Amino acid sequence: KNEVEQSPQNLTAQEGEFITINCSYSVGISALHWLQQHPGGGIVSLFMLSSGKKKHGRLIATINIQEKHSSLHITASHPRDSAVYICAVRYSGGGADGLTFGKGTHLIIQP
Amino acid sequence: GAVVSQHPSRVICKSGTSVKIECRSLDFQATTMFWYRQFPKQSLMLMATSNEGSKATYEQGVEKDKFLINHASLTLSTLTVTSAHPEDSSFYICSAGLGGLKTEAFFGQGTRLTVV
Repeated sequence: KNEVEQSPQNLTAQEGEFITINCSYSVGISALHWLQQHPGGGIVSLFMLSSGKKKHGRLIATINIQEKHSSLHITASHPRDSAVYICAVRYSGGGADGLTFGKGTHLIIQP
Repeated sequence: GAVVSQHPSRVICKSGTSVKIECRSLDFQATTMFWYRQFPKQSLMLMATSNEGSKATYEQGVEKDKFLINHASLTLSTLTVTSAHPEDSSFYICSAGLGGLKTEAFFGQGTRLTVV
């Protein structure tokens, strides 16, 4: 089965810094999700990508299907961006398989 | 976006008892819902796929007699942890989509289960 690798595992940065979180996977996928998980556990879907690039506010997500790689960028980072960011993929092929998740990147933005 | 409501958010139960967790899609119909589990400092893992009107599909290593899934309607799936043990203590979360492989995943709020 597909493995999803995220890096870095932990990231501490100063407010205002540009943040990049990387995700790579090994086999074909139909979609890649970037999720945000807060300390209480709740999960918010940030992006779903199957190609190209998406932008929402200060967040940008890109995917390179040939390279099997995606990045999540946060511009002008803020302490409220502190959370765990998770990359998840849905395999190609038939069926309605659930998502396979990376281990997450624990991001702390210091004021 | 679509809303998925999960209840309860936290539950503490005694060892040997059963706990039911509900997952509702509030403003859309979900023929498929997914149940995930997350142990501390680990990634979310798919437990089972809940299909409306048919039996759930369980991932390898997940006991279907222990984790009973019922998807009786297009807006409700339930996960019952039967005869709970302390090792079942975990964070359980459901998700649903609007259908198809390329659709958004909408997550419930999650349920923190503690078995004492």
